Amino acid sequence: QKEVEQDPGPLSVPEGAIVSLNCTYSNSAFQYFMWYRQYSRKGPELLMYTYSSGNKEDGRFTAQVDKSSKYISLFIRDSQPSDSATYLCAMRNTNAGKSTFGDGTTLTVKP
Amino acid sequence: EPEVTQTPSHQVTQMGQEVILRCVPISNHLYFYWYRQILGQKVEFLVSFYNNEISEKSEIFDDQFSVERPDGSNFTLKIRSTKLEDSAMYFCASSVKWQGTDNEQFFGPGTRLTVL
Repeated sequence: QKEVEQDPGPLSVPEGAIVSLNCTYSNSAFQYFMWYRQYSRKGPELLMYTYSSGNKEDGRFTAQVDKSSKYISLFIRDSQPSDSATYLCAMRNTNAGKSTFGDGTTLTVKP
Repeated sequence: EPEVTQTPSHQVTQMGQEVILRCVPISNHLYFYWYRQILGQKVEFLVSFYNNEISEKSEIFDDQFSVERPDGSNFTLKIRSTKLEDSAMYFCASSVKWQGTDNEQFFGPGTRLTVL
């Protein structure tokens, strides 16, 4: 079993749709949860960062962490064509700097 | 906005040659990392570095790899004798701290390494 499993996609939605991206994990020691956006052949760009369980909102983006279910989500409201990218979930425990990434979900938002 | 920079953007080398990938982390950051991403695969951790020492390394980071902070601004990854399977994007990242607040890791744009 992979430590981090991410919904594989690809995902294609019309402009304005609400997008839900999800990851599950098996390591209960993970405490820090991140979402990165990656454009083709570019570096991951940090979008959202959450410590432990709960919700965090930033503009059109909402990150949710449910540690009891070992499940995290990223919601994008009013999706735009510029949101088209690969979204990576990543996680860390409190004792290490190593981030463990999911495989990524490629999102296309069609005008 | 401060950012992590990496050079070169693309490096082509022959199998068996040594390569050095360079990174300039964000200036007030103290923790530095290298990750790699083989084409079509996930981002994988290689090594973390703090106070001129390796803090943690993965099983990928074998004796062929080394890291160094040669001066106050640069952070380098050296691969001594490159193999075909070392072809990948290599990302440098940095963070202010390792735990607690301000431990978000910010990534550079990457160096694409092609081993022929």
